[in-house]
Amino acid sequence: QVQLVQSGAEVKKPGASVKVSCKASGYTFTDYYMHWVRQAPGQGLEWMGWIKPNGDGTNYAQKFQGRVTMTRDTSITTDYMELSSLRSDDTAVYYCARLAIVGGTVYWGQGTLVTVSS
Amino acid sequence: EIVLTQSPGTLSLSPGERATLSCRASQSITSNYLAWYQQKPGQAPRLLVYGASSRATGIPDRFSGSGSGTDFTLTINRLEPEDFAVYYCQQYGISPFTFGQGTRLEIK
Repeated sequence: QVQLVQSGAEVKKPGASVKVSCKASGYTFTDYYMHWVRQAPGQGLEWMGWIKPNGDGTNYAQKFQGRVTMTRDTSITTDYMELSSLRSDDTAVYYCARLAIVGGTVYWGQGTLVTVSS
Repeated sequence: EIVLTQSPGTLSLSPGERATLSCRASQSITSNYLAWYQQKPGQAPRLLVYGASSRATGIPDRFSGSGSGTDFTLTINRLEPEDFAVYYCQQYGISPFTFGQGTRLEIK
């Protein structure tokens, strides 16, 4: 069965960077884009961007341009999302998600809480 | 980018009633690429409807989606206790794949 398992919670200081991983299993990794979505405490969902199946292209929401980098290692079926120059308002749960709707289903990771605090 | 505006912000209803949630887009959504998600505290979103009106796998038929262009609706008939949650619409026709701000469905 399809699974997306994300790395654990992180606490970072303002100005630092964080790299969240998302280990995929149960499907052909190089057939699907991976999206990243975040959710600040008590707030709504915010789409951050996607990476192409072979990792040869990305598309970032304008808000995150210049601060976010999405990469993937196809040899270990793992995606990464790195966010730099962290601010307190980057405190959020970060999700990876396979949002291509196949057979009426999409898949989400369990979420990774990133806390930015001095 | 396409801005999605959901209304109402909060909806207070009783079990057994019908809920009608609205999602309005700032421009027409390509091929009705509009999805609805349900989210409960501490959980990832759950896909309910895609393509504006197709129910996702395993979703009860009391959930239905309708609409086209810029105006979309999620209807939940005969509310069950487990339906009280936050609902989001999302368009996936044009990048960025924006979400609405959400509608909180609470027990009256």
